[in-house]
Amino acid sequence: NAGVTQTPKFQVLKTGQSMTLQCAQDMNHNSMYWYRQDPGMGLRLIYYSASEGTTDKGEVPNGYNVSRLNKREFSLRLESAAPSQTSVYFCASSTVRSYNSPLHFGNGTRLTVT
Amino acid sequence: AQSVTQLGSHVSVSEGALVLLRCNYSSSVPPYLFWYVQYPNQGLQLLLKYTTGATLVKGINGFEAEFKKSETSFHLTKPSAHMSDAAEYFCAVSETQGGSEKLVFGKGTKLTVNP
Repeated sequence: NAGVTQTPKFQVLKTGQSMTLQCAQDMNHNSMYWYRQDPGMGLRLIYYSASEGTTDKGEVPNGYNVSRLNKREFSLRLESAAPSQTSVYFCASSTVRSYNSPLHFGNGTRLTVT
Repeated sequence: AQSVTQLGSHVSVSEGALVLLRCNYSSSVPPYLFWYVQYPNQGLQLLLKYTTGATLVKGINGFEAEFKKSETSFHLTKPSAHMSDAAEYFCAVSETQGGSEKLVFGKGTKLTVNP
């Protein structure tokens, strides 16, 4: 009963390096999301995918790109990491693109950019 | 723009005491309201939600919340705290305007339960 799986769990990057955060869900959910969590800031939506084949910007998309590879997988890419992107990143999924449908979260990726 | 205010970034209670975590929101239309809980090194889990109907909502682990439209509040309570309730709690509000749905999280309240 995996739910939402995120890899890696931890990552340290130097400024300017790139990386891709992976997310996969096994609940047959249509919608997937990427959030970042910073101390005292709550969660902020980076990008979301309402259904396979679609992606849209959230509240803080600058510096990120996403790919909805298939119904199960939704990846987040940092092309040129900056210290301001040091954060905890959460992937989430829901049955449909409606917040009446509960979000199911992964355990997060802790990213440090030096 | 909608916003969520959680009063108190840290709340400390004794085991067995009442838990009260406060949440106020601003919204121009009837919202959906949520409480999520985050245990250390984990993602968020839905605790309870209010959409329509009964204003007193019961969630998991003995928590409940009451939607008070006149006060624009959705405070979370539990009669008797348990050590396992120690976690961070997030209030969230969603609304749909012009076909666009948004979910806004509060900044979180970290609950400490003392033995």
